[in-house]
Amino acid sequence: GDSVTQMEGPVTLSEEAFLTINCTYTATGYPSLFWYVQYPGEGLQLLLKATKADDKGSNKGFEATYRKETTSFHLEKGSVQVSDSAVYFCALSGQSGNNRKLIWGLGTSLAVNP
Amino acid sequence: EAEVAQSPRYKITEKSQAVAFWCDPISGHATLYWYRQILGQGPELLVQFQDESVVDDSQLPKDRFSAERLKGVDSTLKIQPAELGDSAMYLCASSRELTYEQYFGPGTRLTVT
Repeated sequence: GDSVTQMEGPVTLSEEAFLTINCTYTATGYPSLFWYVQYPGEGLQLLLKATKADDKGSNKGFEATYRKETTSFHLEKGSVQVSDSAVYFCALSGQSGNNRKLIWGLGTSLAVNP
Repeated sequence: EAEVAQSPRYKITEKSQAVAFWCDPISGHATLYWYRQILGQGPELLVQFQDESVVDDSQLPKDRFSAERLKGVDSTLKIQPAELGDSAMYLCASSRELTYEQYFGPGTRLTVT
């Protein structure tokens, strides 16, 4: 079945460092791919998305490119801030009729130190 | 910007008691989801509604959990009786018909003592 694999955390960086969180997937067909962010004690927020191969999603300085050849959707940011400290989830959409089930990675915790 | 509303934000209940959570999705969103998220893990889908109909409840523990969306708008998730292992964050999300983006509410943090 469909699955998502994320790099394990926690990831600890200094402010202004470069961030990469790896995400690879296994899926039939052409899923849509998402990154969600969860700040402490809050719900999940959609960070960015890509719906077809070679699409680049971007938001708040974060980027991820849908790479079908490597089945990857790695999250990157050129210069992280303390306020980026959160848990990041990679997800893909199921493709079975009306069932818009999201398949989730386990999440990667990011801590950014000043 | 429209948001998914959930209440209460926090709930403490004793084992064997009944507890209920409420969710109001973004206006116009036909699909509504209830998830359970245990600390340190990703969300687990409990039930998905399309309008007032259940599309997927394969992971819902039906002996103690129930969910309804009577008029196809807001929804209630109930647990009766609550068990210690039900302590978790319960998240509600909604999406437009025929799209994959899900928008989440702030969640209800349940603690069962």
